[in-house]
Amino acid sequence: SQTIHQWPATLVQPVGSPLSLECTVEGTSNPNLYWYRQAAGRGLQLLFYSVGIGQISSEVPQNLSASRPQDRQFILSSKKLLLSDSGFYLCAWGKGVGADTQYFGPGTRLTVL
Amino acid sequence: QKEVEQDPGPLSVPEGAIVSLNCTYSNSAFQYFMWYRQYSRKGPELLMYTYSSGNKEDGRFTAQVDKSSKYISLFIRDSQPSDSATYLCAVNTGGFKTIFGAGTRLFVKA
Repeated sequence: SQTIHQWPATLVQPVGSPLSLECTVEGTSNPNLYWYRQAAGRGLQLLFYSVGIGQISSEVPQNLSASRPQDRQFILSSKKLLLSDSGFYLCAWGKGVGADTQYFGPGTRLTVL
Repeated sequence: QKEVEQDPGPLSVPEGAIVSLNCTYSNSAFQYFMWYRQYSRKGPELLMYTYSSGNKEDGRFTAQVDKSSKYISLFIRDSQPSDSATYLCAVNTGGFKTIFGAGTRLFVKA
């Protein structure tokens, strides 16, 4: 069966500090990978998706970036965090398009102070 | 206008009640419709997935899509306290971008 891991579970960072969140998927190959942010009272906002190693599509211009160095590894980064980067970050994987039902990881709660 | 509108609630019902959760969407190009359940501080989990119009039933859950009125619903029969969670509707045209509603918080009282 497939499993998706995210770490860390919670993170408190000062404004201006760098960020690195990691997501790995087990039990499947060549998945589509997604990064979402969920702010309180708002829906999931798609940040990035990837259909293969080194292939990243950005949905929202911001100071975040994503990388996919391995088939089942997806990394979300920032060089300098802003207060507005606080939120619940979710990684998801899926197979296919349209019928690409997505399966989410446990999430990372980021607080920028 | 948001692409998907969902009443945030909260919705509070007694145990055993029938729950109706709803969303409206604006783009007639959406063909795929999903409902996710999210417990507090957890990632969403897929509950129901429907293509085009019609009904789909899975145990106590029924998903309904009315494309003519751009309206999607999730019904929960015999609701249980364990159903207390936030329910997110989601729509997709067939590409990589899934649009999520803001979620409705549901409380089922024992």
